[in-house]
Amino acid sequence: AQRVTQPEKLLSVFKGAPVELKCNYSYSGSPELFWYVQYSRQRLQLLLRHISRESIKGFTADLNKGETSFHLKKPFAQEEDSAMYYCALENQGGKLIFGQGTELSVKP
Amino acid sequence: DVKVTQSSRYLVKRTGEKVFLECVQDMDHENMFWYRQDPGLGLRLIYFSYDVKMKEKGDIPEGYSVSREKKERFSLILESASTNQTSMYLCASSLGGGPTEAFFGQGTRLTVV
Repeated sequence: AQRVTQPEKLLSVFKGAPVELKCNYSYSGSPELFWYVQYSRQRLQLLLRHISRESIKGFTADLNKGETSFHLKKPFAQEEDSAMYYCALENQGGKLIFGQGTELSVKP
Repeated sequence: DVKVTQSSRYLVKRTGEKVFLECVQDMDHENMFWYRQDPGLGLRLIYFSYDVKMKEKGDIPEGYSVSREKKERFSLILESASTNQTSMYLCASSLGGGPTEAFFGQGTRLTVV
């Protein structure tokens, strides 16, 4: 079965603290993994994808096939990072499956 | 800019009504999706379409059907609306043919009374 699990519903940190949002997946094939973000009153939008191996807004994510994880990290959180974050997996047929989401709250 | 437009921002319907949610994309994308978004449950896939008239069930298709007669339009149908279908519904599209970015609509907040 294809599944994406985000164990934390809410993550609260202070500005300048490191952040790690956890994502684990279950998929028998070769997964394509993404992080999407939804800021308050905005549409859901792509933050980054593992295939690009890029850093967006200071965020990075590394695919660990051994641990079936794709955790999102940022060394120094900013208040504007407060949002809902979703991890997603695309299977080889193009179907896009999301996790439960983690709400990140960055306090001043 | 890719645009994914959902026909209604807010909708209130009565139990038992047949409800149509419409979604249109303007970038010739192959894939289109319907999700419902509920607090604590994230985005759950209802249906996925990878081509005109082609569809695949998602995780929660019960009580829903879809129609894709034209490439740009993907409709979600609630055959007989029930109160447990009160939710935020999100439509998305992606190019297809490999891992590509999905673009989302603004969402439709459906309330069934």
